Amino acid sequence: GAVVSQHPSRVICKSGTSVKIECRSLDFQATTMFWYRQFPKKSLMLMATSNEGSKATYEQGVEKDKFLINHASLTLSTLTVTSAHPEDSSFYICSASGEHNEQFFGPGTRLTVL
Amino acid sequence: GQNIDQPTEMTATEGAIVQINCTYQTSGFNGLFWYQQHAGEAPTFLSYNVLDGLEEKGRFSSFLSRSKGYSYLLLKELQMKDSASYLCCYYNQGGKLIFGQGTELSVKP
Repeated sequence: GAVVSQHPSRVICKSGTSVKIECRSLDFQATTMFWYRQFPKKSLMLMATSNEGSKATYEQGVEKDKFLINHASLTLSTLTVTSAHPEDSSFYICSASGEHNEQFFGPGTRLTVL
Repeated sequence: GQNIDQPTEMTATEGAIVQINCTYQTSGFNGLFWYQQHAGEAPTFLSYNVLDGLEEKGRFSSFLSRSKGYSYLLLKELQMKDSASYLCCYYNQGGKLIFGQGTELSVKP
């Protein structure tokens, strides 16, 4: 199956700093990637759809200036959490679509904001 | 609107069979997926149903009835490693995956 990687896997930062998370499709090209966040014992909530070469599409309630998404190539999308606060602490997961529409998920990034 | 429902948690015994149900309501539907997620890890793909009926893949099978808005995931010969959260989700007309809350399955010896 397709492989999606994420970096870093864990990050701890101080309140007010910005954190960048990378999502890469390792063995296939992904024109569309998705960013989710997941709180403990909760399901995945779609944050935005990342489109290669164009602006991301954000879900209702997600601040685009807070969560900056860049999809500069067919294998890389980045999510930057700007001016992070403790309430931004969460598990962030990216995914990319396969040829049969199944989504392959990255291993996730655990963000802790102190 | 979009609504998807599955039990919060289930418990089963090693070697047994367990069925996890999922019901959904949506104005647009483009297929239903089941994913497995172990704690602290990303979801892994289990199955995809777009037509009515049963899809079998080893110990795991998934069933879909579009007219009833119903699916189930059947796990046979349960193993301890099957303890995980099982996520039911469907593709809506906008091409987005809509997730259920997940069913936490505990397999006991």
